[in-house]
Amino acid sequence: GQNIDQPTEMTATEGAIVQINCTYQTSGFNGLFWYQQHAGEAPTFLSYNVLDGLEEKGRFSSFLSRSKGYSYLLLKELQMKDSASYLCAFMDSNYQLIWGAGTKLIIKP
Amino acid sequence: NAGVTQTPKFQVLKTGQSMTLQCAQDMNHEYMSWYRQDPGMGLRLIHYSVGAGITDQGEVPNGYNVSRSTTEDFPLRLLSAAPSQTSVYFCASSVTPGTGANVLTFGAGSRLTVL
Repeated sequence: GQNIDQPTEMTATEGAIVQINCTYQTSGFNGLFWYQQHAGEAPTFLSYNVLDGLEEKGRFSSFLSRSKGYSYLLLKELQMKDSASYLCAFMDSNYQLIWGAGTKLIIKP
Repeated sequence: NAGVTQTPKFQVLKTGQSMTLQCAQDMNHEYMSWYRQDPGMGLRLIHYSVGAGITDQGEVPNGYNVSRSTTEDFPLRLLSAAPSQTSVYFCASSVTPGTGANVLTFGAGSRLTVL
């Protein structure tokens, strides 16, 4: 079967670093996506990993280990505007996206 | 360039009523899809289309119909609304289906309540 899991909620402090983990199980894999979704808004694309390793984009980085079925999103120098839900999704062998339930990130001053 | 436009943003229906959620994109994307988002659950695919005249079912298609007569438009029809269809609905599109780097552009969402 296929499944994907990420923590429901995390809290961090403004200016700090936070790592949001995502684990998945699937027999066919065509990449892993991270999206950001502010409350009441649409998801927006953050990152895509298909090979093992770290991809860095400014304050955001995403890591993938295909052998472990594991990814994380790293957010540095947290700002209040980073308060949002972060959605992890993998693309299966049929190129369909399987979505996690999202991690709600709360940033405290 | 408006991206993906969904209407209406909010709708209240009574059980048994029918309605259509509209979705239009102006990016010439081949792939269009409808998702529903419920608390504590991941986005679930309702129906999708890989081009004009082609539609297919996703994970939760029951109670919904779609059509794709043009590249731009992909309406979602609720045939006989039920309280279980209370949800936030997102339309999303992408350039090319069937590739790994298939980044979705989402509409703003339609919040539907069925009483």
